[in-house]
Amino acid sequence: GAVVSQHPSRVICKSGTSVKIECRSLDFQATTMFWYRQFPKQSLMLMATSNEGSKATYEQGVEKDKFLINHASLTLSTLTVTSAHPEDSSFYICSARPQTGNLNEQYFGPGTRLTVT
Amino acid sequence: AQSVTQLGSHVSVSEGALVLLRCNYSSSVPPYLFWYVQYPNQGLQLLLKYTSAATLVKGINGFEAEFKKSETSFHLTKPSAHMSDAAEYFCDVTTSGTYKYIFGTGTRLKVLA
Repeated sequence: GAVVSQHPSRVICKSGTSVKIECRSLDFQATTMFWYRQFPKQSLMLMATSNEGSKATYEQGVEKDKFLINHASLTLSTLTVTSAHPEDSSFYICSARPQTGNLNEQYFGPGTRLTVT
Repeated sequence: AQSVTQLGSHVSVSEGALVLLRCNYSSSVPPYLFWYVQYPNQGLQLLLKYTSAATLVKGINGFEAEFKKSETSFHLTKPSAHMSDAAEYFCDVTTSGTYKYIFGTGTRLKVLA
């Protein structure tokens, strides 16, 4: 149980275009989903927290107009990187916090490798 | 605010030797602590977690960690390293109510044949 999927696993896009990444909790409902960014050989940095049906909360320094997050249902959150630039190339990982059970636990998706050319 | 410090960005051990990866935390309230492993180009896999129950926590793949409040530590150990243990390991902390995970900078474990 507690499986989180991400789609796509890899994406290459041209500079200036937008890319959407999906994060789904497959076998549980997630009140809260988190989006992380990981640069090569670095740790995970929390970008934003999204709660179903409300606006996402962004961490300091993260441009909310560039990284659009939508959490329309209890099993799906999307991250859209708008007007992507090469410096947005990174590994994006989502996690989901279950609605019931251990509320301090998060389940992580497999990540999405974004390359902007 | 919580924080995590992982001492040693790179650790090398011989196959069969003891693995010790260090993690110290800072938290003004009782913490929840986790260790994750990450293989190249993959997501995070939970190794073990401390959630205020037993201080010695056993996880998957033979790993264990001990929560020591007096030392604010949660070091990860494994008695005998295997080649397949070579990966990146992350310690992280959260507290009840915040739900945010604060990750350490990671430790890359190399296992020598």
